Amino acid sequence: DAGVTQSPTHLIKTRGQQVTLRCSPKSGHDTVSWYQQALGQGPQFIFQYYEEEERQRGNFPDRFSGHQFPNYSSELNVNALLLGDSALYLCASNLDRATGANVLTFGAGSRLTVL
Amino acid sequence: DAKTTQPNSMESNEEEPVHLPCNHSTISGTDYIHWYRQLPSQGPEYVIHGLTSNVNNRMASLAIAEDRKSSTLILHRATLRDAAVYYCILRGYDRDDKIIFGKGTRLHILP
Repeated sequence: DAGVTQSPTHLIKTRGQQVTLRCSPKSGHDTVSWYQQALGQGPQFIFQYYEEEERQRGNFPDRFSGHQFPNYSSELNVNALLLGDSALYLCASNLDRATGANVLTFGAGSRLTVL
Repeated sequence: DAKTTQPNSMESNEEEPVHLPCNHSTISGTDYIHWYRQLPSQGPEYVIHGLTSNVNNRMASLAIAEDRKSSTLILHRATLRDAAVYYCILRGYDRDDKIIFGKGTRLHILP
């Protein structure tokens, strides 16, 4: 049973460019969340997608946008890249249920370097 | 902001038990306590979770204080592969509850 898969694993961009990161959730999961993790820091919540809509958003500018497709896969887009956007971007999935027992499954992440 | 407080780092000897503490004084009655760990160059992985009672699984044990304002993750016999950053987080009842991570505890295992 495949877990969460993310692509690409590594990429290098220059300031001002745009990037798209992709995520396939664990089989059976319908909710996808994205996190940004700077070096030495814990993951920071960007947003969550459910039923192809953004349901929750963290403290990130509008340059960060996303999409969820009917097959539950998701994309994270970042426009006008800044040096500070260099980080590991993590995708996590779970099954939408009203319970605090809901467990997240994370992918290995996409390492973005902005030069 | 993270709703939990953890020590920045801890050290333990291999094959000895490790107790990782977490404070969550503002926990609500419906919040579950979850622990995740992040090995080097990997995404976080689920370790254990609980609500009120102590919990055991093949990876670890979770001891929850009676007032639920603190908890302890217990690794019964640490190995070098347990060296990681351990995150204690609270997860609420709402379906759209966003999980907020703190900086976690970096656990060093000494051979």
